[in-house]
Amino acid sequence: EPEVTQTPSHQVTQMGQEVILRCVPISNHLYFYWYRQILGQKVEFLVSFYNNEISEKSEIFDDQFSVERPDGSNFTLKIRSTKLEDSAMYFCASSSQGYSGNTIYFGEGSWLTVV
Amino acid sequence: AQSVSQHNHHVILSEAASLELGCNYSYGGTVNLFWYVQYPGQHLQLLLKYFSGDPLVKGIKGFEAEFIKSKFSFNLRKPSVQWSDTAEYFCAVNLGNTGKLIFGQGTTLQVKP
Repeated sequence: EPEVTQTPSHQVTQMGQEVILRCVPISNHLYFYWYRQILGQKVEFLVSFYNNEISEKSEIFDDQFSVERPDGSNFTLKIRSTKLEDSAMYFCASSSQGYSGNTIYFGEGSWLTVV
Repeated sequence: AQSVSQHNHHVILSEAASLELGCNYSYGGTVNLFWYVQYPGQHLQLLLKYFSGDPLVKGIKGFEAEFIKSKFSFNLRKPSVQWSDTAEYFCAVNLGNTGKLIFGQGTTLQVKP
């Protein structure tokens, strides 16, 4: 079964540093997402991306965050100046369609620890 | 605001016991409902989903869920759990014309051999 792959699986970074989390969505998918899960809390939607632009974002996704599809395969999440509260598991996801009810496929997640 | 609640945070069962995990959502309009599972060290995988039609949906690995619109519920069931069902289970909803999922807080299931 095709998979969403994410790198790195775990990253430790100093507060204030920039972090880029990378994702390779399923190849024929057109809609891409980032979610995060702070330890012990719910999985939260961050942003959705389609046709090279953000289609929806949550209040969590402030100016510190950005997403990009730099080439035909990668989808990245950048956090410009990390804060302690950015420590979380970040999940990339993709789907073939963007309408509600379409199955969203998730990657294994990238653990980010900000120290 | 729309929300999803999972009543059980941590469930411990013996093998062959029956399982029911509760999920309720708060939204008055049309919803699509999902259960995802995350096995230790693995990604979130879709167990089953409900879009329309028969409110009793069957998923992978012997799981099923029933959508009860009047109760805003979508409980997950399995008649006989196995040790390999040990995982975290997430109920999720999406609304309207969006791919965004709203998740419950998750339920950790531990099955004792």
